[in-house]
Amino acid sequence: QQQVKQSPQSLIVQKGGISIINCAYENTAFDYFPWYQQFPGKGPALLIAIRPDVSEKKEGRFTISFNKSAKQFSLHIMDSQPGDSATYFCAASKDGGATNKLIFGTGTLLAVQP
Amino acid sequence: GAVVSQHPSWVICKSGTSVKIECRSLDFQATTMFWYRQFPKQSLMLMATSNEGSKATYEQGVEKDKFLINHASLTLSTLTVTSAHPEDSSFYICSAGLPEPYNEQFFGPGTRLTVL
Repeated sequence: QQQVKQSPQSLIVQKGGISIINCAYENTAFDYFPWYQQFPGKGPALLIAIRPDVSEKKEGRFTISFNKSAKQFSLHIMDSQPGDSATYFCAASKDGGATNKLIFGTGTLLAVQP
Repeated sequence: GAVVSQHPSWVICKSGTSVKIECRSLDFQATTMFWYRQFPKQSLMLMATSNEGSKATYEQGVEKDKFLINHASLTLSTLTVTSAHPEDSSFYICSAGLPEPYNEQFFGPGTRLTVL
């Protein structure tokens, strides 16, 4: 019940296209869903996060869609650029992310081809 | 804002020695810090949760006597890998919790440990 399932494992998108990564969770107590971007040899960087009181959150080219009834959330990267090529991790936690552990998905390796 | 640093960024040591890794929240105070381990092409594995002034809470399967965690102040946590062996070679990443109203977790740049 603690798992967060992430798909796909890898994704190739053409420059300018839309990248979509999906995650599903089981624990209905989760109330904080962040997405992290990680480049090789670097720590993960917080990209965008959502809480279940909204169904969508947009920041620039990045959008999180959240479906509480289906226990699913997804990251959409619009107008994907080669610089977006990285590994993306979804995560979930209870009561926010400051004091409670994050449960991470398995990661998606995104390659944006020029 | 919300910057977390780690030192060193990489370290090579001989088998049997101990290595200390520092994690600092540079522009905020963090009552809770976390230590993760990441193997190549894998997800982050939480090792322990560290609260300032109290003992760390270790995840199942993580040896607390081997991975010593100290969180002496609201801006500093340290991870000491004792009697390191080649199988301890990994990428160690810390994170710090940014309190309300943000209530988010920010990661350091990671430390690459290689044990010869």
